[in-house]
Amino acid sequence: DAMVIQNPRYQVTQFGKPVTLSCSQTLNHNVMYWYQQKSSQAPKLLFHYYDKDFNNEADTPDNFQSRRPNTSFCFLDIRSPGLGDAAMYLCATSRDHGTSPLHFGNGTRLTVT
Amino acid sequence: GEDVEQSLFLSVREGDSSVINCTYTDSSSTYLYWYKQEPGAGLQLLTYIFSNMDMKQDQRLTVLLNKKDKHLSLRIADTQTGDSAIYFCAESIEGSARQLTFGSGTQLTVLP
Repeated sequence: DAMVIQNPRYQVTQFGKPVTLSCSQTLNHNVMYWYQQKSSQAPKLLFHYYDKDFNNEADTPDNFQSRRPNTSFCFLDIRSPGLGDAAMYLCATSRDHGTSPLHFGNGTRLTVT
Repeated sequence: GEDVEQSLFLSVREGDSSVINCTYTDSSSTYLYWYKQEPGAGLQLLTYIFSNMDMKQDQRLTVLLNKKDKHLSLRIADTQTGDSAIYFCAESIEGSARQLTFGSGTQLTVLP
């Protein structure tokens, strides 16, 4: 059974049109992460939530926002997508910081036209 | 600072063993992980090792850790075509808010 679920698998949006990607988990993990992965590169952490505490990476553009309304769900909002934001977006969860592995969803492939 | 490095490509024949190598710089690393990513999919956790261990074996997978040299390897025995994927090593530190640091990934191609 899928434990970290991302919807949709593929998302197409227009340049400048806001888009939201969603992630849900059945693991009851404390930490939820959003990564951006471009072709042939390692995943790059955008931000994470430890419970309700939001932690932004220093180099994450302001264009990217996140919401975690409850333990199970986390959203990635891209306010004004540019062509350079086309990528695979991966959601992951872990029980705690540093002592437990990350469990990834299957990702959402974002295309910006 | 933290840095994790891997070679980019590896090709093996079906049935042979594959060895994917990784080096890291942070001596405080507590856990080291191997993830597998198939095309268009997320990252699948294959195995991980605590830094006070030298070796971990799980079916066809053997992880070796040389903490002195900060070198991690993943050996896949009897490699199959279904093993073709990108393999990422990653490291984390217990109790640290710093998140996983990933290597650049090794593309494993299994030839028939």
